[in-house]
Amino acid sequence: DGGITQSPKYLFRKEGQNVTLSCEQNLNHDAMYWYRQDPGQGLRLIYYSQIVNDFQKGDIAEGYSVSREKKESFPLTVTSAQKNPTAFYLCASSEGEGYSTEQYFGPGTRLTVT
Amino acid sequence: AQKITQTQPGMFVQEKEAVTLDCTYDTSDPSYGLFWYKQPSSGEMIFLIYQGSYDQQNATEGRYSLNFQKARKSANLVISASQLGDSAMYFCAMREGGTAPYGGATNKLIFGTGTLLAVQP
Repeated sequence: DGGITQSPKYLFRKEGQNVTLSCEQNLNHDAMYWYRQDPGQGLRLIYYSQIVNDFQKGDIAEGYSVSREKKESFPLTVTSAQKNPTAFYLCASSEGEGYSTEQYFGPGTRLTVT
Repeated sequence: AQKITQTQPGMFVQEKEAVTLDCTYDTSDPSYGLFWYKQPSSGEMIFLIYQGSYDQQNATEGRYSLNFQKARKSANLVISASQLGDSAMYFCAMREGGTAPYGGATNKLIFGTGTLLAVQP
């Protein structure tokens, strides 16, 4: 079955450590996205990538980094510079351009930093 | 600035009844797209329905329909014959206008804060 996988589902880290969240898709989608969700809020875009080897900052990129070396993979690193890293992180992908192109989401990773 | 507003933090509906979830948007771009997603307690976002700004008719997908009123800038989701499994968070989202770095429409989405729907037996 085609889809998006995110691992792990729950992640715990100590403050000051970098942590990398995995996102893999086998939908052959060109575009991939990372969102952050905090309680009582909608999703906010961290980074997105329209093609391999390129990515763009979203609305809240500070303290995060990404890479897009392969079409199917878009890992997100939460660095120690991110002041409030505890949140629910969702990865998504879409076929590419077009106003009607919906985004497909992974199951999410819940990160807790203490 | 583009914005999505969902003014209902929570809603209750009786099983088998219809419910309307409100969404208003603000954009100066003539070309845009509007989406509704469902988020169960498991956390995954599930796409429900799409409405394009130039679509003449309201979108429908099974028990979901979108009441699109362009002049009012509203895109309310209507769920008919509610089921217990419809209990979830519902998010309205809008595709931003503008051009992607490599041409074509950007695929960035702006989300509202969501409405928590509880279906009662």
